[in-house]
Amino acid sequence: LAKTTQPISMDSYEGQEVNITCSHNNIATNDYITWYQQFPSQGPRFIIQGYKTKVTNEVASLFIPADRKSSTLSLPRVSLSDTAVYYCLVGTGGATNKLIFGTGTLLAVQP
Amino acid sequence: DAGVTQSPTHLIKTRGQHVTLRCSPISGHKSVSWYQQVLGQGPQFIFQYYEKEERGRGNFPDRFSARQFPNYSSELNVNALLLGDSALYLCASSPSWGENTEAFFGQGTRLTVV
Repeated sequence: LAKTTQPISMDSYEGQEVNITCSHNNIATNDYITWYQQFPSQGPRFIIQGYKTKVTNEVASLFIPADRKSSTLSLPRVSLSDTAVYYCLVGTGGATNKLIFGTGTLLAVQP
Repeated sequence: DAGVTQSPTHLIKTRGQHVTLRCSPISGHKSVSWYQQVLGQGPQFIFQYYEKEERGRGNFPDRFSARQFPNYSSELNVNALLLGDSALYLCASSPSWGENTEAFFGQGTRLTVV
């Protein structure tokens, strides 16, 4: 399973756009890229998933370059409630739905 | 609709004791997975069950076991508790297995071993 590397922490201010980049140099052909958000003492929550190019939903955008060795989660106009840990996961459900979490990125949004 | 429900929410046990954690998946979901999250780390995969059969097992000792019932609810059992077993135990349900489906997590059970 591909290993991911992402910043340990990031700071931002309300109203700003936040981009969190994840490196996954060993991503396999069948792997998807998925991002989860986790608040303290809660379970992770699915944000977005993609395979290539760009994916957008009501919460975020996911940018994946052609070589797929990295990906960027973009959160538009963050608010204080976006303060959380964000996990980048790479894998496929083909063999198992096992999710491999790293240590994630702690995003702190300040007023 | 109810999400994934876990019980109890908090639990304190003594070293050497046994614990049973329970999980009810979202209605219609047939896959349940268990994760352990130690403070400051990401969740670590323990087990996955689909249609009452074990489909995946993480790198955990045999003191950890689980099962899934005909109604798709699940139990995680941990024997001979160690201080290091103190963690947030998360249950996640998915509609199916073997597909890139979204996993829905419960709030977790906070286990403290003293």
